[in-house]
Amino acid sequence: DTGVSQDPRHKITKRGQNVTFRCDPISEHNRLYWYRQTLGQGPEFLTYFQNEAQLEKSRLLSDRFSAERPKGSFSTLEIQRTEQGDSAMYLCASSLETGASSGNTIYFGEGSWLTVV
Amino acid sequence: AQSVTQLDSQVPVFEEAPVELRCNYSSSVSVYLFWYVQYPNQGLQLLLKYLSGSTLVKGINGFEAEFNKSQTSFHLRKPSVHISDTAEYFCAVSGISGKSTFGDGTTLTVKP
Repeated sequence: DTGVSQDPRHKITKRGQNVTFRCDPISEHNRLYWYRQTLGQGPEFLTYFQNEAQLEKSRLLSDRFSAERPKGSFSTLEIQRTEQGDSAMYLCASSLETGASSGNTIYFGEGSWLTVV
Repeated sequence: AQSVTQLDSQVPVFEEAPVELRCNYSSSVSVYLFWYVQYPNQGLQLLLKYLSGSTLVKGINGFEAEFNKSQTSFHLRKPSVHISDTAEYFCAVSGISGKSTFGDGTTLTVKP
């Protein structure tokens, strides 16, 4: 089963350090999404890519956050100068979108837990 | 803008009893509606989705949901729950971009 994989699954870092998460989507999927989820909340949209193009960024994504998908396959989410408020689970998801249709199933990875101490 | 309200944060229920998890949404455009389940320390798994057509949607694990456009609701139901259904359930709405807006979740606890 080649679902969406995320690495690392858990990361503990000191405040002020930089962290990077990687997401490998399902191989033929052209859309890739990043979400953030904190305890007791639903996932919040951060950004998404269509192939290598970043099409939308949430206002939640401060200047310390950057996401890339250089070859339209895997993606990285980097957080610079981490703060305690960045502690959350970062979820990656992917889907295959064709033409103007949407509503296609989005497949989620198991998430990357970040704890900033 | 889109928003989702899950009306119950926690729903305790006994095994083999029916359950309904309520979800209301708001959107200025046509939407697609989804229910996801999340087990502890895992990602989200799609239970079912409504895109168009029949307003009664059947999903995995015996769940179903009914889209009600006039009431802007998409409630999830199961006629008889199992202990293994204990999990967090999320209702979500998306538009053309595929970007989803999630509710805050409902914790379903099935008791023996």
